[in-house]
Amino acid sequence: EVQLVESGGGLVQPGRSLRLSCAASGFTFGHFAMHWVRQVPGKGLEWVSGISWNGGEIEYADSVKGRLTISRDNAKNSLYLQMNSLRAEDTAFYYCAKGPRFYSHTSSFDNWGQGTLVTVSS
Amino acid sequence: QSVLTQPPSVSGAPGQRVTISCTGSSSNTGAGYDVHWYQQLPGAAPKLLIYDNYRRPSGVPDRFSGSESGTSASLAITGLQTEDEADYYCQSYDSSLRRWVFGGGTKLTVL
Repeated sequence: EVQLVESGGGLVQPGRSLRLSCAASGFTFGHFAMHWVRQVPGKGLEWVSGISWNGGEIEYADSVKGRLTISRDNAKNSLYLQMNSLRAEDTAFYYCAKGPRFYSHTSSFDNWGQGTLVTVSS
Repeated sequence: QSVLTQPPSVSGAPGQRVTISCTGSSSNTGAGYDVHWYQQLPGAAPKLLIYDNYRRPSGVPDRFSGSESGTSASLAITGLQTEDEADYYCQSYDSSLRRWVFGGGTKLTVL
């Protein structure tokens, strides 16, 4: 069974940093693309960033480019999101989501973690 | 305002059929990018419901079906059950924005 477990969320002041982690199990993590998707409480879904199986392809939403960095460690079955220069508008639940084997723009997100809440406030 | 347009809410009685539309444009659904659908139960993470326009992941009942035509897609739910009450989101990719995009979500109420 595929399991994705996010951690690292919490309350942080504007301008500070936070690092989210996603621990994967139940599948060969190093063979699949991965993504981060966020959701402001009570609002809709927003794709944040995606990374191919080997990190060779990385993309970001314009709203986070230059501030958030996605990475992965296939040996540790883990996905990360380094969040710098945080803003109030970054407040959201952050979900890691599994993509397909091939990093593809036509792909869906076939498994999701339970999410971790990031609150940016002074 | 979302790139993909969904009705904010739909409702139906148990046993009835409802459809949820998802309207895009020539840079996303009209450009041939597949549409996928997610179900988000209250307090839970999204779950993939339909992928590649009409395919169902293992375990999803055949009461859920998807279709697409041109720049629009639809999710149909037949034999409505109370446990279908949830938010439903469509998703595709936009080549102009160069990012994956979601609809604003549709809240399904089973009366």
